[in-house]
Amino acid sequence: RKEVEQDPGPFNVPEGATVAFNCTYSNSASQSFFWYRQDCRKEPKLLMSVYSSGNEDGRFTAQLNRASQYISLLIRDSKLSDSATYLCVVNTAGGTSYGKLTFGQGTILTVHP
Amino acid sequence: DVKVTQSSRYLVKRTGEKVFLECVQDMDHENMFWYRQDPGLGLRLIYFSYDVKMKEKGDIPEGYSVSREKKERFSLILESASTSQTSMYLCASSLETGWGETQYFGPGTRLLVL
Repeated sequence: RKEVEQDPGPFNVPEGATVAFNCTYSNSASQSFFWYRQDCRKEPKLLMSVYSSGNEDGRFTAQLNRASQYISLLIRDSKLSDSATYLCVVNTAGGTSYGKLTFGQGTILTVHP
Repeated sequence: DVKVTQSSRYLVKRTGEKVFLECVQDMDHENMFWYRQDPGLGLRLIYFSYDVKMKEKGDIPEGYSVSREKKERFSLILESASTSQTSMYLCASSLETGWGETQYFGPGTRLLVL
């Protein structure tokens, strides 16, 4: 079983739609969680961290469910510029503190006019 | 702004060649990382370094070595390139070793081994 699993998609949605991505992780000792965004042929960039209480940044909402080892990302009012690959990322360093991240394979989102 | 640069965007090498990939960050970050990214597999950690002259194996270190002689520079070395090492290589850095530290990535090097 992969440490971090995502549905690779692709998700094709019209502008203005709401879309949600899910991610599961296998290591219950994981301490921190992130969503990164990667545009085509570009490097990944941090989109947002994910906190236990859930957090929102504009049109983006991230949720964490530790009991189910599940992370989600919700995008409201999708824009064409949201088209990208969304990477679920988990810190699975366990008892060490070296900040080792494990990446999911990514979910492809295409927003069309 | 944090800037992470990689020496080449595209590289073509032959099987058996020794390959050097260079990465430089300009923000005095403690930690540096090398990943490879392949379709369907995502990013996988090859090696990382949390201090000058220190290195730790990641998930797939076989066939690779690294060097960190200066804080700002982290080099990935393919001792004898093979076709299975054709991939996108991404370097990243982070300020500290905390749980929530953001990693900043370079633009990547697309390596083709013939």
